[in-house]
Amino acid sequence: EDQVTQSPEALRLQEGESSSLNCSYTVSGLRGLFWYRQDPGKGPEFLFTLYSAGEEKEKERLKATLTKKESFLHITAPKPEDSATYLCAVTNRASGGSYIPTFGRGTSLIVHP
Amino acid sequence: DGGITQSPKYLFRKEGQNVTLSCEQNLNHDAMYWYRQDPGQGLRLIYYSQIVNDFQKGDIAEGYSVSREKKESFPLTVTSAQKNPTAFYLCASSIIGTGGSGAFFGQGTRLTVV
Repeated sequence: EDQVTQSPEALRLQEGESSSLNCSYTVSGLRGLFWYRQDPGKGPEFLFTLYSAGEEKEKERLKATLTKKESFLHITAPKPEDSATYLCAVTNRASGGSYIPTFGRGTSLIVHP
Repeated sequence: DGGITQSPKYLFRKEGQNVTLSCEQNLNHDAMYWYRQDPGQGLRLIYYSQIVNDFQKGDIAEGYSVSREKKESFPLTVTSAQKNPTAFYLCASSIIGTGGSGAFFGQGTRLTVV
C-alpha cells in the first residue's frame, strides 16, 4: 500500500526565514510526485510534478526536489502570502493503467510579517 | 477559461436526505475523482472514473454513489447511508495514460448535516 508522510504538520516562520517541508513516500514504483498548495476553504492548486530522483523544479520562492525516498519543498525568503497548507501526493505504476494519487495529510505553513 | 466547477459551494443536508454534488470540467480530461477532506485526515478517495459509463470505488465509497454519463460531468450523491457526511468534498480531473500528470481540483463543496 502506498504511503505518504508529510512533516512537520505545522510550521510557523518569520517573513524572510527560509525553511523546508518534507514528504516521505513508500510506493511500489514511483510514477510521479506532486506538490499542491491549498488555501483555507478552497481546492488544492497544482504546483509541481517530479518524476525521477535528482529532478528539481522551481516557481518563484518555491523549489521542489526529489530523492528515491522523499521530496522537499524549499521555501526561500517566504512572504505572508505563502501561508497555506502544502500537500504532497504520489502515483505508482499500477497495473491496468490506473494511476490514482495518494495524498499526505499536508503541512500547514504560517508566515508572520 | 478551462477548469473544474463544483456546485454548490455550501450545502446543508437533513438527516435521512440524499443530496447530490455537481462537478463539471471543460479540460477534456478523461479521469475524474471525488475526494473527501476532514481536518487532520488529508484527502481520501471516494470514487474515480477513467471513462464514460465506468467508475471504481475508492477507499471510502460506502454511503456514496456516482455516475459518469458524460465526459464532462461526474456528480456525487451522498446518500442517507453515509452516517457522517459533514466534510469538505473535492472533485478533481486529470489526463490518464501517462500516470504522471497532476490533478486539477475544483473549489470544493462544504456539506453540513443539520
